[in-house]
Amino acid sequence: GQSLEQPSEVTAVEGAIVQINCTYQTSGFYGLSWYQQHDGGAPTFLSYNALDGLEETGRFSSFLSRSDSYGYLLLQELQMKDSASYFCAKGGTTDSWGKFQFGAGTQVVVTP
Amino acid sequence: GAVVSQHPSWVICKSGTSVKIECRSLDFQATTMFWYRQFPKQSLMLMATSNEGSKATYEQGVEKDKFLINHASLTLSTLTVTSAHPEDSSFYICSARDPGGGGRTDTQYFGPGTRLTVL
Repeated sequence: GQSLEQPSEVTAVEGAIVQINCTYQTSGFYGLSWYQQHDGGAPTFLSYNALDGLEETGRFSSFLSRSDSYGYLLLQELQMKDSASYFCAKGGTTDSWGKFQFGAGTQVVVTP
Repeated sequence: GAVVSQHPSWVICKSGTSVKIECRSLDFQATTMFWYRQFPKQSLMLMATSNEGSKATYEQGVEKDKFLINHASLTLSTLTVTSAHPEDSSFYICSARDPGGGGRTDTQYFGPGTRLTVL
């Protein structure tokens, strides 16, 4: 089963802020990544946290708390083009060659 | 970011035929590549880990004789779906691991995917 949990869908209006939470099981934890995938496309890398804290990349930020086995992706100043699926991915240990396990994905729907 | 290409982008084949999908890292050497499949509205399911110069490691439930993986060089991995059947129709995506260093993070970069339809 899934060892990463994230909400299935979030709807928000343009200009709003959306937070997508991701909780994970700690076995084999090496880092938390976030990917965006538009319908019919491949996932594109957004952000990566190996240590606790906030990583900011433009309108997108990602946060990790290892003690809480929890992270989130924050989407600010939402635009229509942000409508997509967002996946958190748990990186494997170095012994597992960097193997990732993906959450089920969160469908973000941005409305006018 | 790093570029990973995948070819073909889509393929339609008859049941019983074999299909080869190529995955190339264009601007970095990838000692490790991964193959995923994704059904509509679902997450990515890891099929196998491909390491250059050694046999691929398959995830539980993935038939290694049906999904042949070859990682012949540091920039190329291939997935061959042998004797394809309609239930093999899916979106197949490869990724290449950039282990990081020099300010880069350890992460994976995905190819654009191959949509396989088996009639």
